[in-house]
Amino acid sequence: GAGVSQSPSNKVTEKGKDVELRCDPISGHTALYWYRQSLGQGLEFLIYFQGNSAPDKSGLPSDRFSAERTGGSVSTLTIQRTQQEDSAVYLCASSPDRVSYEQYFGPGTRLTVT
Amino acid sequence: AQSVSQHNHHVILSEAASLELGCNYSYGGTVNLFWYVQYPGQHLQLLLKYFSGDPLVKGIKGFEAEFIKSKFSFNLRKPSVQWSDTAEYFCAVKGFTGGGNKLTFGTGTQLKVEL
Repeated sequence: GAGVSQSPSNKVTEKGKDVELRCDPISGHTALYWYRQSLGQGLEFLIYFQGNSAPDKSGLPSDRFSAERTGGSVSTLTIQRTQQEDSAVYLCASSPDRVSYEQYFGPGTRLTVT
Repeated sequence: AQSVSQHNHHVILSEAASLELGCNYSYGGTVNLFWYVQYPGQHLQLLLKYFSGDPLVKGIKGFEAEFIKSKFSFNLRKPSVQWSDTAEYFCAVKGFTGGGNKLTFGTGTQLKVEL
């Protein structure tokens, strides 16, 4: 079946511009996660959505970062006033339920801020 | 806060050599443990997971990992690696008390298998 999809696959933007990254989770998965993968730093948790519960935003690095999930499905991660240190691969993952915690990852969006 | 340490950042092996990648976590409560793999040009995929029961878990492609609670470790092993195992390997932990709803990942180990 279809996996997690993300768009765009690559995004180059100028410092100071806003960007939106999109994630389409696997159909029926109730949990959705955003991570950031920087060179040599592994994966850094950003935000987590579970059903209709309030999202866990504890990993967002600054108030320039925000995310929403509409209708319990598609999610958008927005970075305002991008900085060069925001350059990374942004990964989305979804999970079928609260218990299993087995996450299925998308291909990521490579963001380059020039 | 929970954390995960992967001590080997880069590992180079010849085909048929045995592999062991270290993973230690800091968390005192109940944990779920995972190994994910990222092959070149592909996205992260689950290699194996430990939730409960037998501490020796087997995953895809001949990989296994052993959960040793007393050592806070979840090392990944494979008796004989293949060139196609060249990839980056990430250990991850989910704690159940105060850890929130996220997985905490290690920084990854880049494995290169030479012919």
